[in-house]
Amino acid sequence: DAGVTQSPTHLIKTRGQQVTLRCSPISGHKSVSWYQQVLGQGPQFIFQYYEKEERGRGNFPDRFSARQFPNYSSELNVNALLLGDSALYLCASSLAEGVHGYTFGSGTRLTVV
Amino acid sequence: RKEVEQDPGPFNVPEGATVAFNCTYSNSASQSFFWYRQDCRKEPKLLMSVYSSGNEDGRFTAQLNRASQYISLLIRDSKLSDSATYLCVVNAPPAGGFKTIFGAGTRLFVKA
Repeated sequence: DAGVTQSPTHLIKTRGQQVTLRCSPISGHKSVSWYQQVLGQGPQFIFQYYEKEERGRGNFPDRFSARQFPNYSSELNVNALLLGDSALYLCASSLAEGVHGYTFGSGTRLTVV
Repeated sequence: RKEVEQDPGPFNVPEGATVAFNCTYSNSASQSFFWYRQDCRKEPKLLMSVYSSGNEDGRFTAQLNRASQYISLLIRDSKLSDSATYLCVVNAPPAGGFKTIFGAGTRLFVKA
């Protein structure tokens, strides 16, 4: 079985641009969550989706948005990119809202220049 | 106060040593708890869930104390391959909006 897959693996954008990151969960997993990780820190929670509904949101500005599709894949969108948005963006999936823990993808490394 | 706080690292230990990591959380209504391991420039990987009754997986033992809002991870007989960052994770309840909170992580170096 494929694990959690994220695309692209690396991305370079300029300030002010918009970016869309994609995530495919493990087959059968209905919950997807998104995290931002900067060097030296733990992942910071951005969004949680379950059965295509937003179930939780972290302390991120409205420039960050996400959605989950009927096949449970997900997209994270970031508008008006800032230099500070440069980070590793991780997607994780779970069977039921993380009760049994999450499986992470290998992430998308976003660099904003 | 941070929602999840971990011991500041790094921990430098010799092979065979026993090492303990501690973590505290602020939301008393938190429902589920985990330890993850993250290797350099890799994604976090689930090490083990944490239960009030305590749970053990080989050389690893995790414990949850709900009254003190405290989580621990004990590694016995450390191996070189245990060198990594260990992340404490807490899930907040759905009623308040579902949140998964990671600690900043504790870096472990096991040396020969």
